[in-house]
Amino acid sequence: GAVVSQHPSWVICKSGTSVKIECRSLDFQATTMFWYRQFPKQSLMLMATSNEGSKATYEQGVEKDKFLINHASLTLSTLTVTSAHPEDSSFYICSARDPLTGGYNSPLHFGNGTRLTVT
Amino acid sequence: GQQVMQIPQYQHVQEGEDFTTYCNSSTTLSNIQWYKQRPGGHPVFLIQLVKSGEVKKQKRLTFQFGEAKKNSSLHITATQTTDVGTYFCAAGSGGYQKVTFGIGTKLQVIP
Repeated sequence: GAVVSQHPSWVICKSGTSVKIECRSLDFQATTMFWYRQFPKQSLMLMATSNEGSKATYEQGVEKDKFLINHASLTLSTLTVTSAHPEDSSFYICSARDPLTGGYNSPLHFGNGTRLTVT
Repeated sequence: GQQVMQIPQYQHVQEGEDFTTYCNSSTTLSNIQWYKQRPGGHPVFLIQLVKSGEVKKQKRLTFQFGEAKKNSSLHITATQTTDVGTYFCAAGSGGYQKVTFGIGTKLQVIP
């Protein structure tokens, strides 16, 4: 159980275009999802907390207008990288908790990640 | 969020040797989680420690939470090539218990 699906797995786009990444909880409902970014050989940096039905909470230094997050349902959160530039190239991973397995202290279940390359 | 420092950043061991990674925080943690990320993969949850001085084992892996709940360690006995990957400690904070990850320890096992 507790499967998180992320799509696409990889995407190549041209500078200036926008890219949407989807994160779905397949067998549980997630009122909160977390979006991370990981540069090569580095740790996971939390970008934002996505909240179903309300605005996302962004970490310091993360541009809200650049990384648009929408959490329209209990099973889907999307991250849109707007006007992408080469420096946005990275590995983006979403995660969520199954609320039936311990609430806020339960482990995170990660999607497979999306490798974004902006040319 | 909580800041967790993790050392070492890299570790190369011969197959069969032991391996330990350490995680430290300047503040008391409510809990600490450990994750493993294989090359090219996503982090996978290993374990969570909650109690002061807690010790948990998973086969060759031993996890410890310090008495003051400010540090933790992961010890692997007799490493195997399947242990290769990056091991992260992570701490929760805030109302939604957002999780902050340590920098990770990348383990290479030389056969």
